[in-house]
Amino acid sequence: GAVVSQHPSWVICKSGTSVKIECRSLDFQATTMFWYRQFPKQSLMLMATSNEGSKATYEQGVEKDKFLINHASLTLSTLTVTSAHPEDSSFYICSAHQRTGGGYEQYFGPGTRLTVT
Amino acid sequence: GDSVTQMEGPVTLSEEAFLTINCTYTATGYPSLFWYVQYPGEGLQLLLKATKADDKGSNKGFEATYRKETTSFHLEKGSVQVSDSAVYFCALSGQGAQKLVFGQGTRLTINP
Repeated sequence: GAVVSQHPSWVICKSGTSVKIECRSLDFQATTMFWYRQFPKQSLMLMATSNEGSKATYEQGVEKDKFLINHASLTLSTLTVTSAHPEDSSFYICSAHQRTGGGYEQYFGPGTRLTVT
Repeated sequence: GDSVTQMEGPVTLSEEAFLTINCTYTATGYPSLFWYVQYPGEGLQLLLKATKADDKGSNKGFEATYRKETTSFHLEKGSVQVSDSAVYFCALSGQGAQKLVFGQGTRLTINP
């Protein structure tokens, strides 16, 4: 089946630094990937849609200058949290979109836990 | 906008019990409906889906029926196992849309 990986699985950084999270589709090509944020005991909130070769589309209320998304190839999208602050601590999950016989299906990565101290 | 509301957890059952996790939605048109499962330490996996009214999605003994009249997509299983312990998410994608809107998730624990 389709596999999506994320790296790192967890990261601790100091306030004011930047952190990059990678999302890779391992056995298929994905023109579209999605980035989500999940707070403890809450649902997944879509942050942005990442399109290969073009600018990401951000959801309302998500700061595009703070959460930089790059989708430079059909198997890799990156999310960079710039000038991180403690309130950015969260669980970040990506998914990759693949066409299936019945339409499209999203395959999810295992998530990256970010802690900003 | 579109939204999904699902039964708050956590839910704790004994093995072989009957499971229902309620899910209702608000959306315009005819969304597609999904149940995803997240096992400990793993990413979300699609459990089942339904793309039109009265469709029944099923997988691994789980079932859910797309009920447009009640805007619901409740998840059921007749006899749960310890291995079913996970967090379950109900989700929808709007008609013609690729984005998913998730419910808040329900943590299910099955005791032997």
